Amino acid sequence: KNEVEQSPQNLTAQEGEFITINCSYSVGISALHWLQQHPGGGIVSLFMLSSGKKKHGRLIATINIQEKHSSLHITASHPRDSAVYICAVRIYNTDKLIFGTGTRLQVFP
Amino acid sequence: KAGVTQTPRYLIKTRGQQVTLSCSPISGHRSVSWYQQTPGQGLQFLFEYFSETQRNKGNFPGRFSGRQFSNSRSEMNVSTLELGDSALYLCASKYRPTGTEAFFGQGTRLTVV
Repeated sequence: KNEVEQSPQNLTAQEGEFITINCSYSVGISALHWLQQHPGGGIVSLFMLSSGKKKHGRLIATINIQEKHSSLHITASHPRDSAVYICAVRIYNTDKLIFGTGTRLQVFP
Repeated sequence: KAGVTQTPRYLIKTRGQQVTLSCSPISGHRSVSWYQQTPGQGLQFLFEYFSETQRNKGNFPGRFSGRQFSNSRSEMNVSTLELGDSALYLCASKYRPTGTEAFFGQGTRLTVV
């Protein structure tokens, strides 16, 4: 079993829909990252969370440390949100990152 | 402020050769981490350098090595290339190893033929 599990693996949405991507982990962490990867490979860091909730524009990330679960929400989705979204956890005390397998999101107009 | 710069962007090598990839972190960042991304294994941690010292290492064979210079630029080297080394190699820079956000470069796509 992977230490970081993401769901769903693939997601298709119509423009304007509310999107939720989930991440569960089984290890002790000091922080959790949500990353966005567009075709071509470059990765953009969206959020770094250690507790609670963060919001940036149409993106919201939440984390529940007790339940070892995080969600990434996209409100009013747009075709330019189409990308792979990756959850990564920073292992407590080692600073190593372990990555989920990613969620491929496609938003159609 | 310039972002993380990786060079080259694309590289084709033959089996048995060796390759060196370069990563220039954001100005002022002293921590550089390297990652390998393949379709089968996803993203995996290779190693992290801070102030010219390797802090952490992932589970990769000794053919994979790296170093960091006094200006925080980092290089990774892969010797005796294998077909399975074909991947996107990403580096990320941070101001310091713990508690700070990582900023990723565009990656170097290595193809081994």
